[in-house]
Amino acid sequence: DQQVKQNSPSLSVQEGRISILNCDYTNSMFDYFLWYKKYPAEGPTFLISISSIKDKNEDGRFTVFLNKSAKHLSLHIVPSQPGDSAVYFCAASDGTYKYIFGTGTRLKVLA
Amino acid sequence: EAGVAQSPRYKIIEKRQSVAFWCNPISGHATLYWYQQILGQGPKLLIQFQNNGVVDDSQLPKDRFSAERLKGVDSTLKIQPAKLEDSAVYLCASSLGSGGRGETQYFGPGTRLLVL
Repeated sequence: DQQVKQNSPSLSVQEGRISILNCDYTNSMFDYFLWYKKYPAEGPTFLISISSIKDKNEDGRFTVFLNKSAKHLSLHIVPSQPGDSAVYFCAASDGTYKYIFGTGTRLKVLA
Repeated sequence: EAGVAQSPRYKIIEKRQSVAFWCNPISGHATLYWYQQILGQGPKLLIQFQNNGVVDDSQLPKDRFSAERLKGVDSTLKIQPAKLEDSAVYLCASSLGSGGRGETQYFGPGTRLLVL
């Protein structure tokens, strides 16, 4: 039972354009969400998070949007850069320390 | 600041053999996690330590997997005997405090295990 789903395994975007990565969840008890970025042969690195009391959180070129009624979150990267090419994981927590990760979306930013 | 260190980076073994992975967390980090990431899936938590005590090992296959955290610092994860389905990347992560929600987990580069 996949509680956190990233339905797009891959995404290609032109440099300078917007990248939108999507994540859906099924557990209504999830109230904290994170995005991690992973380069090949490296461990995931924390990117941005959002609590369920907010519907948007911004950090530089990265913005995460949360739609609680739809159980959907998205990560926007504007403008996209070639260095953003990586696998992006969303993760969710129900208020405990445990994070449930999605399967990841591989983003390729084309120069 | 040094990151989370893991070794070996790669390991190939035959089924029924045993294998051990080592993790050195960021200095001063109280909480240590071991994750298993099977190809095409997200990381799945196997075990969480706070200092040298186990917080959660509910998803650790205890008939073959074991883990310990020596003196609340380094940790080893062992598989004995290994099965084909154990082929995965084993990620170690650490966090500064008690591992509560919102606390950033810092990941090591992982150990890629292939069981033949």
